[in-house]
Amino acid sequence: QKEVEQDPGPLSVPEGAIVSLNCTYSNSAFQYFMWYRQYSRKGPELLMYTYSSGNKEDGRFTAQVDKSSKYISLFIRDSQPSDSATYLCAMPVSGGYQKVTFGTGTKLQVIP
Amino acid sequence: GAGVSQSPSNKVTEKGKDVELRCDPISGHTALYWYRQRLGQGLEFLIYFQGNSAPDKSGLPSDRFSAERTGESVSTLTIQRTQQEDSAVYLCASSLGSEVFVGNQPQHFGDGTRLSIL
Repeated sequence: QKEVEQDPGPLSVPEGAIVSLNCTYSNSAFQYFMWYRQYSRKGPELLMYTYSSGNKEDGRFTAQVDKSSKYISLFIRDSQPSDSATYLCAMPVSGGYQKVTFGTGTKLQVIP
Repeated sequence: GAGVSQSPSNKVTEKGKDVELRCDPISGHTALYWYRQRLGQGLEFLIYFQGNSAPDKSGLPSDRFSAERTGESVSTLTIQRTQQEDSAVYLCASSLGSEVFVGNQPQHFGDGTRLSIL
């Protein structure tokens, strides 16, 4: 079993829709949870991070963590064509430095 | 520039050749990471540098892979005797420090080198 599982998609939605992207993980030691956005032929960029369980909101984006279920989500409200990208969840593994385990990424397409 | 710079952006080479991939991190970033991203797969950790030292080389797939960093700046990833399975995007990232808490020290990625082995 992979440490981090993520549905690869692709996920296609109409502009304005609410998007839900999800990951499950197996390592209960994970404490920080990150979402990266990767546009085609570009490097990933950190979108949001959260610590432990709960919600965090940033504009149209909300990150949600449920540690009891080992399940994290990223919600995008009022989705825009510019949100079309691959979204990767990621978790740093403790070990003295920021060693990050990434999900495979979900490709999102927002149709105008 | 202000971001992480990688060169070349694309590299096509024949099986068995050696390749060198270069990463210029953000100035002042002490931590540097190399990842491999195969088509349809997540990022695979290769190696981590703190300064010029590499405390963790555990992700290097074989002894054909090596990396070095000099001047606490530029890093080079070398793949010897390339194989077709080495075809991937090789990404470099740097961060101000290497604390596990990512909030103030996120990893900034370059756009990668797309390596194709014929």
